[in-house]
Amino acid sequence: KAGVTQTPRYLIKTRGQQVTLSCSPISGHRSVSWYQQTPGQGLQFLFEYFSETQRNKGNFPGRFSGRQFSNSRSEMNVSTLELGDSALYLCASSRTSSYNEQFFGPGTRLTVL
Amino acid sequence: GENVEQHPSTLSVQEGDSAVIKCTYSDSASNYFPWYKQELGKRPQLIIDIRSNVGEKKDQRIAVTLNKTAKHFSLHITETQPEDSAVYFCAASNPSSGYSTLTFGKGTMLLVSP
Repeated sequence: KAGVTQTPRYLIKTRGQQVTLSCSPISGHRSVSWYQQTPGQGLQFLFEYFSETQRNKGNFPGRFSGRQFSNSRSEMNVSTLELGDSALYLCASSRTSSYNEQFFGPGTRLTVL
Repeated sequence: GENVEQHPSTLSVQEGDSAVIKCTYSDSASNYFPWYKQELGKRPQLIIDIRSNVGEKKDQRIAVTLNKTAKHFSLHITETQPEDSAVYFCAASNPSSGYSTLTFGKGTMLLVSP
């Protein structure tokens, strides 16, 4: 079974721009969660989607948003990029919203200049 | 919300020694505790997890123990090998909330020297 995939793997943007990241979960998994990983803050939860609905949201500004499609693929968007948004963005999938074994994708490395 | 503390932040051991990483959590409703291993440049990988209805779980050289009363859980790696070198993250979750949300500790960098 194919694992979680994320595209693109690397992105370089400038301040003020916006970016869209994509995540394809493991086949049959319906829940997708997004995390931001930085050296200083570690892994921080952004949001979780299940059946095209945002089920939970972390403590991030409204510039961070996401969505999920009917095939469970998910996208996250960051608008008006700031230098501090530079991070590794990881998505993780699980079978259902309350089935906790989560499997991570390889991440998208975002650099904001 | 949940808060997870992880210690130590770095751990150096000799090959063959044991390594122990400890985590504490704040939300008594949490009852799922996974451990992830992240090698340099790679994705976090689930290596073992424990649910609150058991106190210990083993898988070959790794084991996890859970003390719900004290709200702490630990990862034990025996007979460490150089390929165990990585960053290890503990996490806590409350599945009865209906969410998969994991709250992570800050990570422990484990270095196993030959």
